[in-house]
Amino acid sequence: KQEVTQIPAALSVPEGENLVLNCSFTDSAIYNLQWFRQDPGKGLTSLLLIQSSQREQTSGRLNASLDKSSGRSTLYIAASQPGDSATYLCAPGDYGQNFVFGPGTRLSVLP
Amino acid sequence: DGGITQSPKYLFRKEGQNVTLSCEQNLNHDAMYWYRQDPGQGLRLIYYSQIVNDFQKGDIAEGYSVSREKKESFPLTVTSAQKNPTAFYLCASEDRSNTGELFFGEGSRLTVL
Repeated sequence: KQEVTQIPAALSVPEGENLVLNCSFTDSAIYNLQWFRQDPGKGLTSLLLIQSSQREQTSGRLNASLDKSSGRSTLYIAASQPGDSATYLCAPGDYGQNFVFGPGTRLSVLP
Repeated sequence: DGGITQSPKYLFRKEGQNVTLSCEQNLNHDAMYWYRQDPGQGLRLIYYSQIVNDFQKGDIAEGYSVSREKKESFPLTVTSAQKNPTAFYLCASEDRSNTGELFFGEGSRLTVL
């Protein structure tokens, strides 16, 4: 059964810093991996999706990488801003369209 | 514009009552999902549906029921058999014809009084 962990559980940084969020998963037989953002009391917003055949995806200041063989994905946020403060979740999906969500990393960017 | 609409946003229920949470999507997605989120825990799958008139139990289906009579709609009923129903409920649909990307609604918070 797929298990997903995210490190760190919480992170507080000053505005402008570059930062890396980590996601680890136990079963490398995945179809894709998606990164989400969740603001308090809100639903999940999709940030980036990486197909299993891809190594990375970029959107603006965000870059996500995927290493299937080692069961790892990282989300890189460049030049962080207070508006980036949220909880970030990763979710690998398998070929049966089963998604397992990590517990999330709670990010605070201080002005 | 396209998206997923969940209602109500907040719901209060007395013990012993059934309640139904609505989920409507206009993304033309075949697959839809219901998740439950509790503080400090990841999302847990309640039910999912891959096509109209078909649905499967997820990891925590006990005390819940669903229907999928229309492609656009996937309502979730929280029954009185659910022992601890107070939680945040999230509905999602999946773009299986393309990338397999998941899209979520804004969620419904259920509180049992």
